[in-house]
Amino acid sequence: QVQLQESGPGLVQPSQTLSLTCTVSGVAVSSGEYYWSWIRQPPGRGLEWVAYIYHTGTTYYNPSLKSRLTMSVDTSKNQFSLRLTSVTAADTAVYYCARVGAHDYNNYHDFWGQGTLVTVSS
Amino acid sequence: QSALTQPASVSGSPGQSITISCTGTSSDVGSYNYVSWYQQYPGKAPKLMIYDVSKRPSGLSNRFSGSKSGNTASLTISGLQAADEADYYCISYTTSSTWVFGGGTKLTVL
Repeated sequence: QVQLQESGPGLVQPSQTLSLTCTVSGVAVSSGEYYWSWIRQPPGRGLEWVAYIYHTGTTYYNPSLKSRLTMSVDTSKNQFSLRLTSVTAADTAVYYCARVGAHDYNNYHDFWGQGTLVTVSS
Repeated sequence: QSALTQPASVSGSPGQSITISCTGTSSDVGSYNYVSWYQQYPGKAPKLMIYDVSKRPSGLSNRFSGSKSGNTASLTISGLQAADEADYYCISYTTSSTWVFGGGTKLTVL
């Protein structure tokens, strides 16, 4: 069974860097079948796609966040990670990691983590 | 990229049908059939309901259906049930190889 689990600090100070990791089980992140996404949801608001990465390291970022974002993948640990720099209160959100297909026949986000709340506050 | 446009809320009585629209542009919804719909309950992760505009994941009720015309995709729920009351989001692949969500629609079952 495919499972994804987000982990990282629940509180980050303004202007600092938010770092999250998603640990995947049941499928290898090195599989050429999938990309690995981050999606966030501010409290009481809608979903926002953040970024995704392929096992080769190829990344795609939301244009509105691109200058502050870095994603990476660690195939030895079956994990992928997100770094968001210079955070503000507007970055406070539940952050979800998810699997998305890499081909025409599976190009959708099917499995999601439970989400982790990150609050930006001093 | 701008968020796809969804109505903020829709409502219907049990047994009725409702449709939620998701309007994008020729750079996203209009370019691909990679539109998905998600159902989300408060405090829970989104659940995939429709993918590739109109396909249902295995085991999902056929009360949920999807379609697309031009730059607008739609989710229809027939035979409304109390359990359908939730937030619904569309998402589309874009010509920039990124993804964009709709703003979300709150469904109320009267």
